[in-house]
Amino acid sequence: LAKTTQPISMDSYEGQEVNITCSHNNIATNDYITWYQQFPSQGPRFIIQGYKTKVTNEVASLFIPADRKSSTLSLPRVSLSDTAVYYCLVYNAGNNRKLIWGLGTSLAVNP
Amino acid sequence: DGGITQSPKYLFRKEGQNVTLSCEQNLNHDAMYWYRQDPGQGLRLIYYSQIVNDFQKGDIAEGYSVSREKKESFPLTVTSAQKNPTAFYLCASSTTPGQGNYGYTFGSGTRLTVV
Repeated sequence: LAKTTQPISMDSYEGQEVNITCSHNNIATNDYITWYQQFPSQGPRFIIQGYKTKVTNEVASLFIPADRKSSTLSLPRVSLSDTAVYYCLVYNAGNNRKLIWGLGTSLAVNP
Repeated sequence: DGGITQSPKYLFRKEGQNVTLSCEQNLNHDAMYWYRQDPGQGLRLIYYSQIVNDFQKGDIAEGYSVSREKKESFPLTVTSAQKNPTAFYLCASSTTPGQGNYGYTFGSGTRLTVV
């Protein structure tokens, strides 16, 4: 299973765009990239997933370069309620879909 | 609305007692998972089940047991053999390969404290 590396913490201000980059150098051909958001004392919430290029939904965008060794989660115009821990995970799309969770990135959005 | 329900939200246990955490889902997901989260840490996999009547150990299964008698239910028992059971426990479910977009749905968690 591919290991991921992401910054431990980030700071931002309301209204700014936030980009969180994740490294996954040994990603395999069948691996997908997925991001989750977790608030204190709650379960993680699925944000977005992708395989290559760009994926966009109503919450975020995910940019994946051609070599797929990294990915960037982009949160447009963050608000105070976006303060949370963001996890980048890589999973194999085969039968065993276990996710390996790292420490995540703790994002603090300031007024 | 479909989702995962974990109960209770808070649980206190005396040392030496077994306790069972409930997890029920109505998403028609085949796979279910139990994770443990300690303060400032990521999630660690305890057990997972990809189909009824079958389950596998995760990375930290010692001191825990599970059952999967029904598709909707995946209870976790924290036994007295678990040396440090105080933690936040999360249950999740997911689709199986080929069933559209893949993603985990989590419950709201159970915070277990040993007193």
